[in-house]
Amino acid sequence: DAGVTQSPTHLIKTRGQQVTLRCSPKSGHDTVSWYQQALGQGPQFIFQYYEEEERQRGNFPDRFSGHQFPNYSSELNVNALLLGDSALYLCASSLDRGLFNYGYTFGSGTRLTVV
Amino acid sequence: AQTVTQSQPEMSVQEAETVTLSCTYDTSENNYYLFWYKQPPSRQMILVIRQEAYKQQNATENRFSVNFQKAAKSFSLKISDSQLGDTAMYFCAFSINSNFGNEKLTFGTGTRLTIIP
Repeated sequence: DAGVTQSPTHLIKTRGQQVTLRCSPKSGHDTVSWYQQALGQGPQFIFQYYEEEERQRGNFPDRFSGHQFPNYSSELNVNALLLGDSALYLCASSLDRGLFNYGYTFGSGTRLTVV
Repeated sequence: AQTVTQSQPEMSVQEAETVTLSCTYDTSENNYYLFWYKQPPSRQMILVIRQEAYKQQNATENRFSVNFQKAAKSFSLKISDSQLGDTAMYFCAFSINSNFGNEKLTFGTGTRLTIIP
């Protein structure tokens, strides 16, 4: 049973460029959340997708956008990259069943470096 | 808004000893979850233990246990008989329990734990 798969594992981009990160959730999961983890910090919530719509959003600018596909996989897009966007981007999948929190499964992340 | 504070940036302990990691949080919610996650060098966040706020009994998972003090908003993790494989970053995290399903996680800044052979 595959866990959460993220691609690519590492990425180097130039300031001002755009980037797309990809996530395949754990088999059976229908919800995907994205987190940004700056060096030496805890992860910060970016947004969550369920039924192909953004359901929750953290305190991130509109340069950060996402998408969820019918197969539950997801993309995170960041436009007009800044040096401060350099971070580890983590994807977490879960199964949504209302009150019952079955917990998250995390991927190993994409390390984005903006130069 | 919720906040999670971990005041110990780094800790180290001899193999087989017991270590306790501290976490405090602030929230006005009454129904929530607390978590400890482990992040080894592989970068993947791994759930160590979870506590539901409405349960008074402290959660335990093998060598891992928590001391949940709801009134004090404190949630510490105790690792007994520590092993070399326990070396990692440990994050305390909070989420609201709602009809919404899987609410977002709010993380602390982490504690780097090193187990010394």
